[in-house]
Amino acid sequence: GQNIDQPTEMTATEGAIVQINCTYQTSGFNGLFWYQQHAGEAPTFLSYNVLDGLEEKGRFSSFLSRSKGYSYLLLKELQMKDSASYLCAVRDSNYQLIWGAGTKLIIKP
Amino acid sequence: ETGVTQTPRHLVMGMTNKKSLKCEQHLGHNAMYWYKQSAKKPLELMFVYSLEERVENNSVPSRFSPECPNSSHLFLHLHTLQPEDSALYLCASSHLLEHEQFFGPGTRLTVL
Repeated sequence: GQNIDQPTEMTATEGAIVQINCTYQTSGFNGLFWYQQHAGEAPTFLSYNVLDGLEEKGRFSSFLSRSKGYSYLLLKELQMKDSASYLCAVRDSNYQLIWGAGTKLIIKP
Repeated sequence: ETGVTQTPRHLVMGMTNKKSLKCEQHLGHNAMYWYKQSAKKPLELMFVYSLEERVENNSVPSRFSPECPNSSHLFLHLHTLQPEDSALYLCASSHLLEHEQFFGPGTRLTVL
């Protein structure tokens, strides 16, 4: 079966760095997405990786290793507004998005 | 209006009621999606429309019935729902099936 694994919850301190991991087993691979979802709001697109390596976008970076079925989202200089759930999703060979359950990130002052 | 809008934002209904959820996208996209989001569970894809044709139906119970009259509008018709159908229902759109999806704010549905 197809599966996306990510930690249920993480806690970090304002101003610090946090890494949220995502591992996947899917039938084929056509890209990996990270979305941010604040409580009670819609998910919003953060990043997309289809080739191995690091994609940097401001304070957020996303890494992909296709051979390991592994990605991480790196958040630097954490701010209180970064408290949210972070969703990992993989597009399989049928171009269907397979979603993880999300990682709830709690930022403490 | 910009982006993806959904109405109503909150809905409480009995198991014998019939209601409809509405989604509208103002992004000029060609694909639209319905998702179900339950607490601490992955997003469940329910239906996908591309160029107003349904391309995906993930074994969703027949008490959920989608309708896509044009590329900007998507409906989800509900009838004889069960309490376990209570969830957040999200609509999304994308330019093409392979592009990133833009989500609406969702409808919080409670079935009594």
